[in-house]
Amino acid sequence: DQQVKQNSPSLSVQEGRISILNCDYTNSMFDYFLWYKKYPAEGPTFLISISSIKDKNEDGRFTVFLNKSAKHLSLHIVPSQPGDSAVYFCAASGTDTGRRALTFGSGTRLQVQP
Amino acid sequence: KAGVTQTPRYLIKTRGQQVTLSCSPISGHRSVSWYQQTPGQGLQFLFEYFSETQRNKGNFPGRFSGRQFSNSRSEMNVSTLELGDSALYLCASSFDRVDEKLFFGSGTQLSVL
Repeated sequence: DQQVKQNSPSLSVQEGRISILNCDYTNSMFDYFLWYKKYPAEGPTFLISISSIKDKNEDGRFTVFLNKSAKHLSLHIVPSQPGDSAVYFCAASGTDTGRRALTFGSGTRLQVQP
Repeated sequence: KAGVTQTPRYLIKTRGQQVTLSCSPISGHRSVSWYQQTPGQGLQFLFEYFSETQRNKGNFPGRFSGRQFSNSRSEMNVSTLELGDSALYLCASSFDRVDEKLFFGSGTQLSVL
């Protein structure tokens, strides 16, 4: 039972364009969401997070949107750069599971073409 | 500030053996969590330690155990290794139990033959 789903295994965009990565969740107890980026042979790197009391959070080129009614969040990267090519994981936590017991999606591989 | 350090980087064991992995958190971080990453199951939470006590545990058999020392360094142990234990084991640290952001190490790649 996947509680966090990333339905697109891969995404390819041109440099300078917008990258949109999507994530859906099923557990209504999740109230904190994070995006991590992972390069091969490295651990995940924290990118951006959002609490369920907000619907948008921005940090430079990265913006996360949360739609609680649809149980959906998305990560926008504008403009996309070749160095953004990596696997992106959506993760969630709730008060029932504990803040450090993140539930991860299966990841989306982003390829930014020069 | 140094990041999360995990040793060893790679490990090869045979079925039935046991293994111990080590993790040094970011200086000042007191919470350490462990995750397993496999191609089939993705990233899954193993357990969390804070103040030398296990605070939370994921859905893994008792063969998986861990501990935390007074300097916040942590070890995890897997006994009676099975082929399915082959995975990347990731350690993550956070400042305390309130901080939601986890900082991950590069992991230990365990291969069980």
